[in-house]
Amino acid sequence: EDQVTQSPEALRLQEGESSSLNCSYTVSGLRGLFWYRQDPGKGPEFLFTLYSAGEEKEKERLKATLTKKESFLHITAPKPEDSATYLCAVQGSTDSWGKLQFGAGTQVVVTP
Amino acid sequence: NAGVTQTPKFQVLKTGQSMTLQCAQDMNHEYMSWYRQDPGMGLRLIHYSVGAGITDQGEVPNGYNVSRSTTEDFPLRLLSAAPSQTSVYFCASWGGGPIDTQYFGPGTRLTVL
Repeated sequence: EDQVTQSPEALRLQEGESSSLNCSYTVSGLRGLFWYRQDPGKGPEFLFTLYSAGEEKEKERLKATLTKKESFLHITAPKPEDSATYLCAVQGSTDSWGKLQFGAGTQVVVTP
Repeated sequence: NAGVTQTPKFQVLKTGQSMTLQCAQDMNHEYMSWYRQDPGMGLRLIHYSVGAGITDQGEVPNGYNVSRSTTEDFPLRLLSAAPSQTSVYFCASWGGGPIDTQYFGPGTRLTVL
């Protein structure tokens, strides 16, 4: 069965203080690994999809990387508007269509 | 495009009551799904659909029914609400294959007393 573990559970950063979030996964044949951002009271918002080890994707201050066992979401020089919960999800090759296995998320707070 | 819409935004039920959570999308996506989100547990798949008339169970289907009569709509029915169904429910849709990007609605916060 697919498993996704995110760490840390919560992260408090000063504005401009770069850091990384971790997503460790166990899956039988990775089809894709997804990163989402979720603001309080809202639905998850898509950030990235990674398909194979070594792949990297960037969007503004965010950069996602992927290895065979984990993914990192690097936040460079964060701003208060980067405060959110970041969710990681995977889909394995034996999963039925549409089934994403989500981690519990990392809550990020960026203070001015 | 409105994207994925959900109604109601909040709902309080008594144990044993039934209700339907509405989900609609205007992106002409074939695939739709329902998740529930509970503190510390992440999002868990309840049911999903790969097209009109076709639905299947996810990880936590007990106590919920779905149907898909049109491409646009995918309602989730609670047959007899229980306190364990207190949660935030999200609907999602996507247009491509199994690893296409899923777009989520704003959620329905349900409390069962």
